[in-house]
Amino acid sequence: GENVEQHPSTLSVQEGDSAVIKCTYSDSASNYFPWYKQELGKGPQLIIDIRSNVGEKKDQRIAVTLNKTAKHFSLHITETQPEDSAVYFCAARGRYTGFQKLVFGTGTRLLVSP
Amino acid sequence: DARVTQTPRHKVTEMGQEVTMRCQPILGHNTVFWYRQTMMQGLELLAYFRNRAPLDDSGMPKDRFSAEMPDATLATLKIQPSEPRDSAVYFCASGQTGQPGDEKLFFGSGTQLSVL
Repeated sequence: GENVEQHPSTLSVQEGDSAVIKCTYSDSASNYFPWYKQELGKGPQLIIDIRSNVGEKKDQRIAVTLNKTAKHFSLHITETQPEDSAVYFCAARGRYTGFQKLVFGTGTRLLVSP
Repeated sequence: DARVTQTPRHKVTEMGQEVTMRCQPILGHNTVFWYRQTMMQGLELLAYFRNRAPLDDSGMPKDRFSAEMPDATLATLKIQPSEPRDSAVYFCASGQTGQPGDEKLFFGSGTQLSVL
C-alpha cells in the first residue's frame, strides 16, 4: 500500500520568511495530493490540493509542487504570518477507485515567530 | 457554512465502559470516514462508508470497535469495552464521491477520548 513520509517534523521561521515542507510517496499510481492544516483543538482543514496531471498550483501565499518522477511533493508558504503556526499534514491517494482513502504523512509543526 | 459535526467534543470514561461517538456529515456527502489521531501513530483510518454501506474497516479492532450509519445524517463509532490504549482524538470526515475530481475530504473537530 501507499506510504507517505513527511519532513521536517518541526519547522521554525521568522515572520515574513518562507517555509517549505516536503513529502514523498511510494505508490506511483497515486494521483491526488492534498495538504491539511490543523490548529490546536481543531480538525485538519484542507488548504490546497493538487492532482497528478498538474505540476504546480498556487493560492495566494501557499503553493504546492509535484514531481511525479521523483514521487515527491512540497508545500510552500511565502510571507509567513504568526497565524500560519499549526501542524501541516500531507496526504496521498491511490488511483481513483471510487473512494477517497487517503494516507497521511506524520505532520510538520510550523512555528512562525513575530 | 457546511461542516462536519462531531459529539461529544470531550469524553472521559473508565476502562471497561462503553463509548459512543457521533458524527453528522455535511449534507449531501455520501462518504464518511473515521480516523484516529495519536502522537505515536498519527492519523489512522479506522473505517469508511459510502452511501451508508461499510466499505473498509480493516483499520479497526473488530473485537471492541464497531461503526455504523443508521441514516445518511448520522454515523456512529462505538467502543465496548474501552481500554486506556483507546485514548486518542477520533475524527470523522465526509466527502462526495462518484466521479473524478470529488476527492476533497472535510474533517470535524474531533472527539477527544480519555480512558482511565
